[in-house]
Amino acid sequence: GAGVSQTPSNKVTEKGKYVELRCDPISGHTALYWYRQSLGQGPEFLIYFQGTGAADDSGLPNDRFFAVRPEGSVSTLKIQRTERGDSAVYLCASSFAGGASGELFFGEGSRLTVL
Amino acid sequence: QKEVEQDPGPLSVPEGAIVSLNCTYSNSAFQYFMWYRQYSRKGPELLMYTYSSGNKEDGRFTAQVDKSSKYISLFIRDSQPSDSATYLCAMRESGNTPLVFGKGTRLSVIA
Repeated sequence: GAGVSQTPSNKVTEKGKYVELRCDPISGHTALYWYRQSLGQGPEFLIYFQGTGAADDSGLPNDRFFAVRPEGSVSTLKIQRTERGDSAVYLCASSFAGGASGELFFGEGSRLTVL
Repeated sequence: QKEVEQDPGPLSVPEGAIVSLNCTYSNSAFQYFMWYRQYSRKGPELLMYTYSSGNKEDGRFTAQVDKSSKYISLFIRDSQPSDSATYLCAMRESGNTPLVFGKGTRLSVIA
């Protein structure tokens, strides 16, 4: 596809369960970002990949959150032992390497609801 | 104090009005300033980008950056109902640092 694709678009889970959210970036984009957006808030940075490696994971809230990008393309955000406070829209974005213009291309997000 | 402050609104204006949106920030290292538009249940999309201080115009949209005051603005002329969305300011220090977003201002343009 032409844009950033995120699956699932909606995920409802129970407290304590494990969740995986997938992001397929725009072809050729080497930088990939994960953000979290709570209701009425702006996107909050979680982690940034340059190629296969995490260049900055300072936004991950705790060790229940982990993300991988093993082949430098698709990324998976993994949340262990989910809590109700994890409920939010998880946004993925990609860009060209060193794109100082800052044009991050966002997907439509994965809406996570933890009951 | 958050790094980027933005009044969440909501802001409601009649069609054809001039809209002024703004953000303040505290990190003097920010050099790249953007405005994103986000429709309901969609991802943000880039509207305007400005490097350092100055003005940039694109059609009905004008972005202004005043680094001395740590203040950025977005003006929308001849606003249309299709402009109804949440407008997010965002900024970064360099191409290798993450974008920091404001809370977003929800705008409604009434026909």
